[in-house]
Amino acid sequence: KQEVTQIPAALSVPEGENLVLNCSFTDSAIYNLQWFRQDPGKGLTSLLLIQSSQREQTSGRLNASLDKSSGRSTLYIAASQPGDSATYLCAVRGLTSGSRLTFGEGTQLTVNP
Amino acid sequence: EAGVAQSPRYKIIEKRQSVAFWCNPISGHATLYWYQQILGQGPKLLIQFQNNGVVDDSQLPKDRFSAERLKGVDSTLKIQPAKLEDSAVYLCASSRGTGFSGNTIYFGEGSWLTVV
Repeated sequence: KQEVTQIPAALSVPEGENLVLNCSFTDSAIYNLQWFRQDPGKGLTSLLLIQSSQREQTSGRLNASLDKSSGRSTLYIAASQPGDSATYLCAVRGLTSGSRLTFGEGTQLTVNP
Repeated sequence: EAGVAQSPRYKIIEKRQSVAFWCNPISGHATLYWYQQILGQGPKLLIQFQNNGVVDDSQLPKDRFSAERLKGVDSTLKIQPAKLEDSAVYLCASSRGTGFSGNTIYFGEGSWLTVV
């Protein structure tokens, strides 16, 4: 059974700081991995999708990396802004789970002005 | 392009009552998902439809939860009878292709259920 863990559970940083969010998964037989953002009271917004054959994806100030063999992914946020404050969720789509997305519990990020 | 629409946004019911949630996916999206998100946890898949067929309902508590997708478009998720532990946000999502196509998945804003 796939398990996804995100560390840290919560993070508070001053504006302008570069930061890294971590995601680990137990079963490396994955099809892809996605990072999502969730604002309070809202649904999830997809940020980056990395196919299993890829090593990283970039979008603006966001960079996500994937090391499938070690079961790890990181989301790097450069020059953080107060508007980046949200919960960030990592999810993996397994090859052996009927294409189901398995989510971690998220990292709650607060960027202080 | 309109997003995934869900209603109602908020619902409070007493335990043992029933409730139904409705979802309208993005036009042209073949795959529709229902997720349950308990406060402080990540979403958990309840059921996945491909057009109007069920692909995965292995985590759906079938003794009390049911879902259908009408004509491969709208979907309804029903809980009867509700328990206190069903208090959660019910998220509907859709994607253009199948789960293995790598398509981006789009989420609605969720239906917040409180069972008292």
